[in-house]
Amino acid sequence: GAVVSQHPSWVICKSGTSVKIECRSLDFQATTMFWYRQFPKQSLMLMATSNEGSKATYEQGVEKDKFLINHASLTLSTLTVTSAHPEDSSFYICSARSPSRGPTDTQYFGPGTRLTVL
Amino acid sequence: DAKTTQPNSMESNEEEPVHLPCNHSTISGTDYIHWYRQLPSQGPEYVIHGLTSNVNNRMASLAIAEDRKSSTLILHRATLRDAAVYYCILRTSYDKVIFGPGTSLSVIP
Repeated sequence: GAVVSQHPSWVICKSGTSVKIECRSLDFQATTMFWYRQFPKQSLMLMATSNEGSKATYEQGVEKDKFLINHASLTLSTLTVTSAHPEDSSFYICSARSPSRGPTDTQYFGPGTRLTVL
Repeated sequence: DAKTTQPNSMESNEEEPVHLPCNHSTISGTDYIHWYRQLPSQGPEYVIHGLTSNVNNRMASLAIAEDRKSSTLILHRATLRDAAVYYCILRTSYDKVIFGPGTSLSVIP
């Protein structure tokens, strides 16, 4: 299957600083990537859809000025958590949609990035 | 969006088959049934998907009811590595994947 990587796998930062998380599709070009957030013992929540070369589309309730998304190339999307606070501590997971190989496509997920804000 | 209903949790003995049910009574004709699973502290992993016919791959089998209002993910021989949260998701082509609570599967040695 297709491979999606994330970097870093975990990060600890101080409150008020910004953190950038990278998401890469390693063996396919992804025109669309997605960012999810997952709190302990909860399901994944979609934050935003990132399209290469255009502005991201944010889900309702997600602050676009706080969670900056850039999708500059077909294999890289970045999520920057600006002015992070302890409540932003979470597991952030990206996903890339593979080119359609049939009647429907598949989303492949990265391994996740654990963010802890002190 | 069409919704799915899954049991919160299930248990299985190791090396026995596991049948994970999913109800989707409001499924539309263009909805595909997708299954993903998430192992602890990892990102979700694609398992299988289907439209009307039963599907098999190296990971699992998907049995779809004739009226498509329910489906069952079948793991033929559960191993300890199959302990995960399993998500049943409906989506049309190019839809984003929206996760529900899923079923937490425990595998007993």
